[in-house]
Amino acid sequence: QVQLQESGPGLVKPSQTLSLTCTLSGGSIRSGSYYWSWIRQPAGKGLEWIGRIYTSGNTNYNPSLKSRVTISIDTSRNQFSLRLTSVTAADTAVYYCARGVFRSFAELSHFDSWGRGTLVTVSS
Amino acid sequence: QSALTQPASVSGAPGQSITISCAGTSRNIGGYNYISWYQQHPGKAPKLIIFDVNKRPSGVSSRFSGSKSGNTASLTISGLQTEDEADYYCCSYATTTFVAFGGGTKLTVL
Repeated sequence: QVQLQESGPGLVKPSQTLSLTCTLSGGSIRSGSYYWSWIRQPAGKGLEWIGRIYTSGNTNYNPSLKSRVTISIDTSRNQFSLRLTSVTAADTAVYYCARGVFRSFAELSHFDSWGRGTLVTVSS
Repeated sequence: QSALTQPASVSGAPGQSITISCAGTSRNIGGYNYISWYQQHPGKAPKLIIFDVNKRPSGVSSRFSGSKSGNTASLTISGLQTEDEADYYCCSYATTTFVAFGGGTKLTVL
């Protein structure tokens, strides 16, 4: 059974860069049937999709975050990572990594596996 | 502001049925049959309960069902149980933005 685990600093200073890694176990990140995504959730609020990466390195980002986001993949380590630059308090949230199942034209069908999430607080 | 619109809260008594709506546009719900629903208990990660409008993953109770009409998707939970009390989110593939989530609905089982 596939498991995803987020890791990274829980506290980031304003204007700095948030960096998180998601490690996959129980499967291969090289599988061609999935996109690997980051999703976040501020306390008491809804889910926000950040972006996704395919095993080839092809990426798509939420237009509202695109200028600050980079998602990368390391297939040798079965990991993918998130970098979010110039963070503010508004970036404080629980960050989830998730596996996305896609259909014929790279259209996302659903997220079938999620990590437990990691809280990142932006504060000086 | 979320791209998909859900009621903030719904409630029902044990054994009853409830329906949660998720309103979008032709650029998301109306244009694709890639609608999914997630259940989230406090402090937990979201859990997939419906995908591709009306399909259930293995292990999800048949009390959960999904449908779509035009630009609106719906999740129905029949035979409400106390453990169904949670937040529910709809999600759709979306032109341009790739993924759209609803703002979430808090289900209270009275």
